[in-house]
Amino acid sequence: QQQVKQSPQSLIVQKGGISIINCAYENTAFDYFPWYQQFPGKGPALLIAIRPDVSEKKEGRFTISFNKSAKQFSLHIMDSQPGDSATYFCAASIRGSNYKLTFGKGTLLTVNP
Amino acid sequence: GAVVSQHPSWVICKSGTSVKIECRSLDFQATTMFWYRQFPKQSLMLMATSNEGSKATYEQGVEKDKFLINHASLTLSTLTVTSAHPEDSSFYICSARVGGMNTEAFFGQGTRLTVV
Repeated sequence: QQQVKQSPQSLIVQKGGISIINCAYENTAFDYFPWYQQFPGKGPALLIAIRPDVSEKKEGRFTISFNKSAKQFSLHIMDSQPGDSATYFCAASIRGSNYKLTFGKGTLLTVNP
Repeated sequence: GAVVSQHPSWVICKSGTSVKIECRSLDFQATTMFWYRQFPKQSLMLMATSNEGSKATYEQGVEKDKFLINHASLTLSTLTVTSAHPEDSSFYICSARVGGMNTEAFFGQGTRLTVV
C-alpha cells in the first residue's frame, strides 16, 4: 500500500518555466511534509518542508502548497534552471514514529536550456 | 546544515563475504538514525530505524540477520551486510535526526554496494 502518491513520474520543462510536482497522501496522522532533491549517485537533500497548519511556504524559488482537506501537497519551482535537473521526492512523516519518512516514488525533472 | 558522512562511498565485494558501512553525524548528536536502500530509478525504501543504545527496529520483509545494524554512539551507526549476494547490490543511504521536536533528517551521500 503506497501511502504517498507522487506525480508525474517525469517532467520536462524549459529554462525559466515553472515545474510543478504533486503528491497525495492517505494517512491523516501525517504531520510533516518535506521535499527532497536527489542528484545521481548522491543522497537526498532537504529542499523545503511544511506542516499542516499552514497552506503555503516559500523559500527562494521553491514553494510548497498544502491542501489539508484534499490531502494533497505540491512543489512549485519557479524560474526553473538546468541545474535543477534532478529527482525530487515528496515525503510524509508522523511525530510519534520518530518522524520516520514515507517517500513518494519520485519525479525525474529535466530542465532544458 | 548538519553533515552526515557515509563510508565508504562505494564498495565491491565477493559473494559470500560481509561488508560494513559506516554512517557518522559530524557536527551533531543523532538520537535516531535510519537506513534506506535504493534501487536504480526507484524511491528510497526504509530498512530499519535505530536509536542510540537500543536494538534497531526493522521494517517488514527486511532480514535482520542479514542486515546488522549497530548504533553504539550518538554519532555513529553501522550497517553490516552479511554473506552478501549479487541481489544485495544496491545504493544504501543513511539519515540522522537530532531527535525531540526537531523534525529534519539529514542524509548521507550514500554507499554503492556491488557484490560480484
